[in-house]
Amino acid sequence: SYELTQPPSVSVSPGQTANITCSGDKLKNKYVCWYQQKPGQAPVLVMYQDSERPSGIPERFSGSNSENTATLTVRGTQAMDEADYYCQAWDTSTVVFGGGTKLTVL
Amino acid sequence: QVQLQESGPGLVKPSQTLSLTCTVSGGSISSSTYYWSWIRQPAGKGLEWIGDIYTSGTASYNPSLKSRVTISVDTSKNQFSLKVNSVTAADTAVYHCARVRRQLVGGHPLYYFDYWGQGTLVTVSS
Repeated sequence: SYELTQPPSVSVSPGQTANITCSGDKLKNKYVCWYQQKPGQAPVLVMYQDSERPSGIPERFSGSNSENTATLTVRGTQAMDEADYYCQAWDTSTVVFGGGTKLTVL
Repeated sequence: QVQLQESGPGLVKPSQTLSLTCTVSGGSISSSTYYWSWIRQPAGKGLEWIGDIYTSGTASYNPSLKSRVTISVDTSKNQFSLKVNSVTAADTAVYHCARVRRQLVGGHPLYYFDYWGQGTLVTVSS
């Protein structure tokens, strides 16, 4: 079965850039989306179709997908961006989630 | 603004059937644009897709759960439902319902959840 791998944690200083990666075999051939989840809340879609930002998501969030790695980039990271982030893709009629990355804003 | 709300028992005994309903408001579950899905999340762990359903009643399931899961839709009530048979403690989780955008773009499948319910905790315990 297809797997998406994320680092368990990423730390960033306020105002700096955070890069959260998601790795999978030939991932560039799939569309990747990203969700942000804060404690006790439902996930929120922050990126879809690799690099499309839903309405209401700040411009500091961007996405890319190349070869075997998709990346969610948060520029000018703010304290409110501290959360768990999950990547997700679709493979042979099944939805696959990455294991999640905890973004800590130090 | 579309809203989804899960409902159902918060406690289920082992070997019994877990049943949840998701009520959709602010939009029609009969829309041809969307699918409707269930996702679960054990405490402190990641997200697991359970399956989805289209307004026609056609459902798809996670192969790891397929033998125990049924998703159905009731367009007259603007609801869709989940049943998980023969539950064990491993089925204890927060269960979310969500709306799905699912389409082919440039020959590649595009699939994402654009609206989520808040989730409901289901505990399997005697």
